[in-house]
Amino acid sequence: KQEVTQIPAALSVPEGENLVLNCSFTDSAIYNLQWFRQDPGKGLTSLLLIQSSQREQTSGRLNASLDKSSGRSTLYIAASQPGDSATYLCAVRGMDSSYKLIFGSGTRLLVRP
Amino acid sequence: NAGVTQTPKFRVLKTGQSMTLLCAQDMNHEYMYWYRQDPGMGLRLIHYSVGEGTTAKGEVPDGYNVSRLKKQNFLLGLESAAPSQTSVYFCASSYWGLLRSGANVLTFGAGSRLTVL
Repeated sequence: KQEVTQIPAALSVPEGENLVLNCSFTDSAIYNLQWFRQDPGKGLTSLLLIQSSQREQTSGRLNASLDKSSGRSTLYIAASQPGDSATYLCAVRGMDSSYKLIFGSGTRLLVRP
Repeated sequence: NAGVTQTPKFRVLKTGQSMTLLCAQDMNHEYMYWYRQDPGMGLRLIHYSVGEGTTAKGEVPDGYNVSRLKKQNFLLGLESAAPSQTSVYFCASSYWGLLRSGANVLTFGAGSRLTVL
């Protein structure tokens, strides 16, 4: 059974710092992995999607990497800003025919001005 | 651009009561999903639909029913609410199914917070 873990559960950093959020999964047979952002009281917004054949994806100050063999993904945020404060979730899509995304419980990020 | 709209946003029920959560999307998406989010557990798929008139069970379907009579609407029903169903419910939709690669993303609604006393 696939399990997705995100550590730490919460992170507080000063503005301008580069930071890395971690996501690990137990079954390396995945189709893709996505990173989402969730603001308080709102739904999730997809940030980056990495296919199983890819090593990384970039969007602006965000860079997500994927190492399937070790069951790890990282989300790198460069030059963090207070507006980056949110909860970040990763989710993996397995190779089976179901429509399940298995979500981690998220990392709550606070960027202090 | 409304995207995905969920109603109601908040609801308090007593054990045994019934209710329906409505999800509406205006993006002509084929696929719709209902998730629940509980503290420390991430999101879990309750039911999903791959098109009008179709529904299927997800990870945690017990105690819920769904209907997709119109392409733009996906209803989640609780026939007899239980305290264990206290949660935040999210609806999502996507144009393609999750097997498609490329720019297939889920669009989420803002959530419906349900408390069962």
